[in-house]
Amino acid sequence: DTEVTQTPKHLVMGMTNKKSLKCEQHMGHRAMYWYKQKAKKPPELMFVYSYEKLSINESVPSRFSPECPNSSLLNLHLHALQPEDSALYLCASSRRQGAENTIYFGEGSWLTVV
Amino acid sequence: EDQVTQSPEALRLQEGESSSLNCSYTVSGLRGLFWYRQDPGKGPEFLFTLYSAGEEKEKERLKATLTKKESFLHITAPKPEDSATYLCAVPGSGGSNYKLTFGKGTLLTVNP
Repeated sequence: DTEVTQTPKHLVMGMTNKKSLKCEQHMGHRAMYWYKQKAKKPPELMFVYSYEKLSINESVPSRFSPECPNSSLLNLHLHALQPEDSALYLCASSRRQGAENTIYFGEGSWLTVV
Repeated sequence: EDQVTQSPEALRLQEGESSSLNCSYTVSGLRGLFWYRQDPGKGPEFLFTLYSAGEEKEKERLKATLTKKESFLHITAPKPEDSATYLCAVPGSGGSNYKLTFGKGTLLTVNP
């Protein structure tokens, strides 16, 4: 079973709203990731968690706030977003941190900021 | 700087018409090359990992091969359901070894 589950699949939010994206995996993976993907572009890394601790922040604006409550769950809290933040947000996981480990992606959450 | 270049950008095939997608890479010390398939509006679906030159892997109509400079994804007798964007990616080198460097993808369309 190589499944990463993301909710919601679609989210529309205003620029003053606070919302969260959720991700879950039950593969026993100890590294979890958030990626952002714009149309016709490859995914871009935002954050890496390793053993539930934030390991990498790719200079992401503070209006995006990640959280890893336990080894199976990953959240992305959203606040005061801009229309240009509209994109497909992908959660992913791998056995360990280190990109030589196969990274499995979820189906993504489509975010539209109005 | 790590680079991954995929060609062609787009490929249109007739059902049953075999072809190959190319992924050339420049990275210091290859630690794997990954192929993903991405359907519109969905996340990338893992297909293959290749670790060393000469390695080959197959899955249904797809076969991935690796040399020291490039990888090929061969599609034999494709069907319309093989239509998707195919992405290849390599782990970054040096201080970027925690993330994947992706190519821009090849958009494959298979017509019935």
